[in-house]
Amino acid sequence: GENVEQHPSTLSVQEGDSAVIKCTYSDSASNYFPWYKQELGKRPQLIIDIRSNVGEKKDQRIAVTLNKTAKHFSLHITETQPEDSAVYFCAAILMRFGAGTRLTVKP
Amino acid sequence: DADVTQTPRNRITKTGKRIMLECSQTKGHDRMYWYRQDPGLGLRLIYYSFDVKDINKGEISDGYSVSRQAQAKFSLSLESAIPNQTALYFCATSDLGMNTGELFFGEGSRLTVL
Repeated sequence: GENVEQHPSTLSVQEGDSAVIKCTYSDSASNYFPWYKQELGKRPQLIIDIRSNVGEKKDQRIAVTLNKTAKHFSLHITETQPEDSAVYFCAAILMRFGAGTRLTVKP
Repeated sequence: DADVTQTPRNRITKTGKRIMLECSQTKGHDRMYWYRQDPGLGLRLIYYSFDVKDINKGEISDGYSVSRQAQAKFSLSLESAIPNQTALYFCATSDLGMNTGELFFGEGSRLTVL
């Protein structure tokens, strides 16, 4: 069945560094790839998404890239700040979520 | 503000008890979902509904049932709760299909089954 794998499960970076989280999916019919951020004790919220007809999308310090041939997509956060610390989830077809990445940004 | 509201926010119950988690929304969305969150396992889809007469199983529906009482209300029931159903449960809505649009989550209902 559909499967979404997310790596790494934890990521620690220094403030100002970049962070990259990668997801792979199995169903070639997937055409919508969102990323959600969940701060401690809060609900997940969409931060960026990409559709299969584009390869990259940027929103200020956040970008998502998609490689449909290889069936993977990645979240890139540049100039990380302590408030970026959270759990990040990717998702693919039928809203199958990855297991999450806990990002810690050290001041 | 239009929102997604879940009740109760926290519940402790015993094995074998029947539990209902309720979700209501003022966003006017047709599509509603129930997810379960466990540490290290992400968010797993339990059931979803695209309108009042539509109910669909997700990836982990065993042990759960749902009721879509109205466009704005979607309830999740555990007929006989067991300890491995201890988790954080989220209701979500969308105005497009789950493969094409943003999910809006409620604040979550933390359930503990002793």
